[in-house]
Amino acid sequence: QVRLKESGPRLVQPSQTLSVTCTVSGFSVTSYHVSWVRQPPGKGLEWVGAIWKGGSTDYNSALKSRLSISRDTSKNQVFLKMNSLQTDDTGTYYCAKHLPNSGFDYWGQGVMVTVSS
Amino acid sequence: DIQMTQSPSFLSASVGDRVTINCKASQNINRYLNWYQQKLGEAPKLLIYNANSLQTGIPSRFSGSGSGTDFTLTISSLQPEDVATYFCLQHNSWPYTFGAGTKLELK
Repeated sequence: QVRLKESGPRLVQPSQTLSVTCTVSGFSVTSYHVSWVRQPPGKGLEWVGAIWKGGSTDYNSALKSRLSISRDTSKNQVFLKMNSLQTDDTGTYYCAKHLPNSGFDYWGQGVMVTVSS
Repeated sequence: DIQMTQSPSFLSASVGDRVTINCKASQNINRYLNWYQQKLGEAPKLLIYNANSLQTGIPSRFSGSGSGTDFTLTISSLQPEDVATYFCLQHNSWPYTFGAGTKLELK
């Protein structure tokens, strides 16, 4: 059974770094791409970035300078790091598994992150 | 980036009603559009991929249509468990972009 679960801090101070982990089961991160998507409260979804099954990455150009996505294949985990956080980075952060040539098929429940002092 | 305009934002319907939700792309996305259902506190669930392909395990009352720039999600006979927010995703080109969502409630 495919599952994705995000974990990370619920509260981060402005200017600090956000670190979120996506732990997957039921598939290997070396066989399927994984993306990060976020949703500010009351707003739409935004693709953040992806790590391809081969290990390379792509980022939303608006966030690229602050982002890093990596993985630990031995633990089947994907990591999102975003630095220089601002209040408008507040939102729910999701990881999602790619369905080949067909967008995303499975998503995690998300982790709600608040950026506030 | 491709803009996805989803309508309506809010929809109230009765059990048994036929419900339609629309997504319009700002440019041609062929058939590279998915529909998702999200219930409060749950992970989004894939309903339809590539415009009209029903994901495994999804009831047949859900269907999708369209190509190019205009797409529709149809629920043929609304059930109480269909109360949720629905959103579309274009995966024709990067960055992938989403519709703003439709909140579906029971009348």
